[in-house]
Amino acid sequence: AQSVTQPDIHITVSEGASLELRCNYSYGATPYLFWYVQSPGQGLQLLLKYFSGDTLVQGIKGFEAEFKRSQSSFNLRKPSVHWSDAAEYFCAVGPNTGGFKTIFGAGTRLFVKA
Amino acid sequence: DADVTQTPRNRITKTGKRIMLECSQTKGHDRMYWYRQDPGLGLRLIYYSFDVKDINKGEISDGYSVSRQAQAKFSLSLESAIPNQTALYFCATSDHRQGSNQPQHFGDGTRLSIL
Repeated sequence: AQSVTQPDIHITVSEGASLELRCNYSYGATPYLFWYVQSPGQGLQLLLKYFSGDTLVQGIKGFEAEFKRSQSSFNLRKPSVHWSDAAEYFCAVGPNTGGFKTIFGAGTRLFVKA
Repeated sequence: DADVTQTPRNRITKTGKRIMLECSQTKGHDRMYWYRQDPGLGLRLIYYSFDVKDINKGEISDGYSVSRQAQAKFSLSLESAIPNQTALYFCATSDHRQGSNQPQHFGDGTRLSIL
């Protein structure tokens, strides 16, 4: 069955520290991969996407993610976290052979401490 | 102005009432979606529409109905609301004229509470 797992329900990091949010997926074919961020009271905003090519993708707000096919992972990273990064982060996967359905992970809530 | 607008932003109502949540978009996208978000469950797809004449059930469509009145408008109805439909509801759009499985663009959500 197709699924997305975000193992960490919440993570707390200090401002200025590095961040890695984990995402693992189960998918029958090579997927399209996305990371979204949700700030309080707002909808989801696309941070970055991977369709093909270079497995390290750059996104907005200084985020990057690396696709590792052998590990079925697409982890999100940021070298130095800012207090404004506190939000909920969602990993999502979808088919690259047409079709439509995007499957979302349960989300990881990031807390940033001063 | 927001590209994807949901109304109302908040709604409190009673069990058994009929409720309509509205979504409009100015992005010109062909596809529209309704999701509900519950803590710890991520987003679950309720209904989706590829075009004005196309409506499809998602994974949790029971108790809900939708109408795609125009390419820019997609409304979600709860015919007889029940407390376990209390959730945060999101409308989203995507543009598949650009290719398959494009990222989705979300509204700011409607927080619905059913007493």
